[in-house]
Amino acid sequence: SYVLTQPPSVSVAPGQTARITCGGNNIGSKSVHWYQQKPGQAPVLVVYDDSDRPSGIPERFSGSNSGNTATLTISRVEAGDEADYYCQVWDSSSDHVLFGGGTKLTVL
Amino acid sequence: EVQLVESGGGLVQPGGSLRLSCAASRFTFSSYELNWVRQAPGKGLEWVSYISSSGDTIYYADSVKGRFTISRDNAKNSLYLQMNSLRAEDTAVYYCAREVRAVPAACDYWGQGTLVTVSS
Repeated sequence: SYVLTQPPSVSVAPGQTARITCGGNNIGSKSVHWYQQKPGQAPVLVVYDDSDRPSGIPERFSGSNSGNTATLTISRVEAGDEADYYCQVWDSSSDHVLFGGGTKLTVL
Repeated sequence: EVQLVESGGGLVQPGGSLRLSCAASRFTFSSYELNWVRQAPGKGLEWVSYISSSGDTIYYADSVKGRFTISRDNAKNSLYLQMNSLRAEDTAVYYCAREVRAVPAACDYWGQGTLVTVSS
């Protein structure tokens, strides 16, 4: 079955750029979505369809997807960006929605 | 703004049943695909089930197939999850989530979640 692999944690200083990866076999052929989840809250969609942003999401959040890796990039990181981030795809071969294991972003 | 409100969670014994509901408002419910997603305490997100806008197409995660049943009532703007033969590993916060139109799996609105605890 298809597997999405994320690093458990990423740390970045305020004002710097955070990059969170999501690995999967030929993930570049799939549409990848990204969620932010803060403690005690429901997930929030921050990027969908590889690189589109829902309304209300800052331009600091961007996404890319190619080959075996999709990447969520957060520019000019702020303390409020500290959260868990999950990648997600629809796997048409199994008719399943899949989530990555999640990455905890720590703002130093 | 779009609103999704889950209810029906609680404490249930292993082997028991529970029915979750998700009441939707402020959007054309019958036009959107919906999902149930759960999160065990301290763990990541796990997709549970999907239902198409008309209810004609349904998918389940392997971990719940044969035990859980998703359904919707478009006249009542409501989504349901019937959970039978519950196990300890089903303990989680259960979220209902609305998909972005024409973008499979991408969920732009989520409820606040309802906690299901399976324990004797």
